[in-house]
Amino acid sequence: DVKVTQSSRYLVKRTGEKVFLECVQDMDHENMFWYRQDPGLGLRLIYFSYDVKMKEKGDIPEGYSVSREKKERFSLILESASTNQTSMYLCASRRAVETQYFGPGTRLLVL
Amino acid sequence: DQQVKQNSPSLSVQEGRISILNCDYTNSMFDYFLWYKKYPAEGPTFLISISSIKDKNEDGRFTVFLNKSAKHLSLHIVPSQPGDSAVYFCAASALMGAQKLVFGQGTRLTINP
Repeated sequence: DVKVTQSSRYLVKRTGEKVFLECVQDMDHENMFWYRQDPGLGLRLIYFSYDVKMKEKGDIPEGYSVSREKKERFSLILESASTNQTSMYLCASRRAVETQYFGPGTRLLVL
Repeated sequence: DQQVKQNSPSLSVQEGRISILNCDYTNSMFDYFLWYKKYPAEGPTFLISISSIKDKNEDGRFTVFLNKSAKHLSLHIVPSQPGDSAVYFCAASALMGAQKLVFGQGTRLTINP
């Protein structure tokens, strides 16, 4: 059974704090992704990685960075959280042309 | 530039009837399409996919139709059940290239008893 896990389901942070969101997959997938979901905007891609230590900007990378030191783990970093980064964050993984699997999501509130 | 569009933000259907969710795309390089279902506070779950070499794919109550000339796909759910109430996202990718999926904005489906 495929599994993508995210370190937190709910998170409350203050403006200016550094925030780490962790994602782990157990399917040996090459590709991993971070999205945010906002009402009416669908799923927007922040960053993705197609191999260890490789990263590519998605559609909305501003204010975020990522780290992929191991194949199974992909971290999203908010260097200085702002209120407009309050959102649902979704991690996903995928082998080359197969189905993409999502984690349960982290609902982040920045005060 | 919205390459994948779901023009209906919401849809309400009677239990037992057919639900039809629509999706349009603009990029002619897209050749693999997927539908995901999402409940509140959960991650999206994969429902069904179709590649551009087919025009129909069926899995139980779910059927996806692809019209390449119109750059349009649709998801049919028959019969609709209360548990189908969720947000549905269509997604597209090119099999060659960056492997990333492009998602539509989602359609909230409500099944009324």
